[in-house]
Amino acid sequence: EVQLVQSGAEVKKPGESLKISCKGSGYSFTSYWIGWVRQMPGKGLEWMGIIYPGDSDTRYSPSFQGQVTISADKSISTAYLQWSSLKASDTAMYYCARQDLWGQGTLVTVSS
Amino acid sequence: QSALTQPASVSGSPGQSITIPCTGTSSDVGDYNSVSWYQQHPGKAPKVMIYDVSNRPSGVSNRFSGSKSGNTASLTISGLQAEDEADYYCSSYISSTVVFGGGTKLTVL
Repeated sequence: EVQLVQSGAEVKKPGESLKISCKGSGYSFTSYWIGWVRQMPGKGLEWMGIIYPGDSDTRYSPSFQGQVTISADKSISTAYLQWSSLKASDTAMYYCARQDLWGQGTLVTVSS
Repeated sequence: QSALTQPASVSGSPGQSITIPCTGTSSDVGDYNSVSWYQQHPGKAPKVMIYDVSNRPSGVSNRFSGSKSGNTASLTISGLQAEDEADYYCSSYISSTVVFGGGTKLTVL
């Protein structure tokens, strides 16, 4: 079965760092772009960026450039989204997505 | 880049057909055949219903279809069912990034 499985919910304090993951299975992980999408509580979808695990070519939305880092480890079929210093405004659900398939989402809560 | 434009809400009765438009510009919807549509039920992850304008992923009902004309893409749902009630989002590729529509709430009367 083709699937994207994301890491579990996180609760962090402002200023802390965080790295969440998205593991692909059932397909050739290096052959498909993987994107990350933010959904703030009660709001719509926002595209953050995308990575091609085959060569780690990465593109960012201008709104998220410099705010997050997207990476991938093709040896374990896993893509990552990370923050170096979280803010309360980073509280949201984060999804990884292939063109035809999405992960189940990771809820990130940032609160003092 | 600006978000794609979708109506905030649409409604229809069971068995009817509805169409949700997604309007962009000549730089996004009009320039690429990379429009996708997503269905999101409350508290659930979005599900891809259409990609590349009119392609359905495996397992998606053929009641869902997509099309594009100029700068506007459309999602049509035929034979409306109660389970179709959800939020629907469109997206388009634009110059190495992706832009989403604001979402449309579909109510099945």
